[in-house]
Amino acid sequence: RKEVEQDPGPFNVPEGATVAFNCTYSNSASQSFFWYRQDCRKEPKLLMSVYSSGNEDGRFTAQLNRASQYISLLIRDSKLSDSATYLCVVNIGFKTIFGAGTRLFVKA
Amino acid sequence: GAVVSQHPSRVICKSGTSVKIECRSLDFQATTMFWYRQFPKQSLMLMATSNEGSKATYEQGVEKDKFLINHASLTLSTLTVTSAHPEDSSFYICSADGQGSTHEQYFGPGTRLTVT
Repeated sequence: RKEVEQDPGPFNVPEGATVAFNCTYSNSASQSFFWYRQDCRKEPKLLMSVYSSGNEDGRFTAQLNRASQYISLLIRDSKLSDSATYLCVVNIGFKTIFGAGTRLFVKA
Repeated sequence: GAVVSQHPSRVICKSGTSVKIECRSLDFQATTMFWYRQFPKQSLMLMATSNEGSKATYEQGVEKDKFLINHASLTLSTLTVTSAHPEDSSFYICSADGQGSTHEQYFGPGTRLTVT
C-alpha cells in the first residue's frame, strides 16, 4: 500500500463547477499536511496547509480527518487557470511524502 | 515567502559527462535540502536528503556514487550527476526545509536535464 494515495484522474470539469479531491495516508504518526499545485514542467507550489479544523482560502477549502486518515481539497467555481496537477503531501518529522497527484482539466 | 533558486534551469550534455546542479536558498538558511527527480507524467521521487555539514541520506535504489550531493553551506546544496546516461534525463527539483513547525518545503524551479 502506498503511503499517500490519490486518484490520478484526470478530472475534466467545466468552468464554474465544484470539484473535490481526496487523499489517504497510511501512517497515523503523520504530523502535517499540505496541498501543492504543480503546473506542467514546473515545480510544485504550496497551495495551502491542511488543519484538523479545516481551512478555507477563497475558492479552496481543505479538510483533514485524522480518524479516517484522509485529506480533501474542494475547489469551487473552477477557473481555466485551475487546470494543474494537485499533490497531496504528508510530513512525518523531517520526511515528506508526496502523493502521485490528481490531474484537473477545467474547460470552457 | 521563502525563495529557492536552481541553476541551470536547463542543460543538455553528452553521455559520459558530469553535470552539476546548484540549489540555493536566497533569503533563509536551510540546514536540510531535498533532491527530487520527476519523469514525465509521474510523481516527484525523493532521491536524497542533504544535510549541511554532513553526508547526504540517499533513498533506496539511488546510487550515491552516481548522484553526488554536497551541502557545504546553509544556503547551497549541489547535485552532481556523474557519468550521465540518457536514462538520467529527467526533471530534477530541489527543495529546502523552511524550518517552521510544519516543515513546509520551498521548491526551486527545477532543472531539466537531457543526456544525448
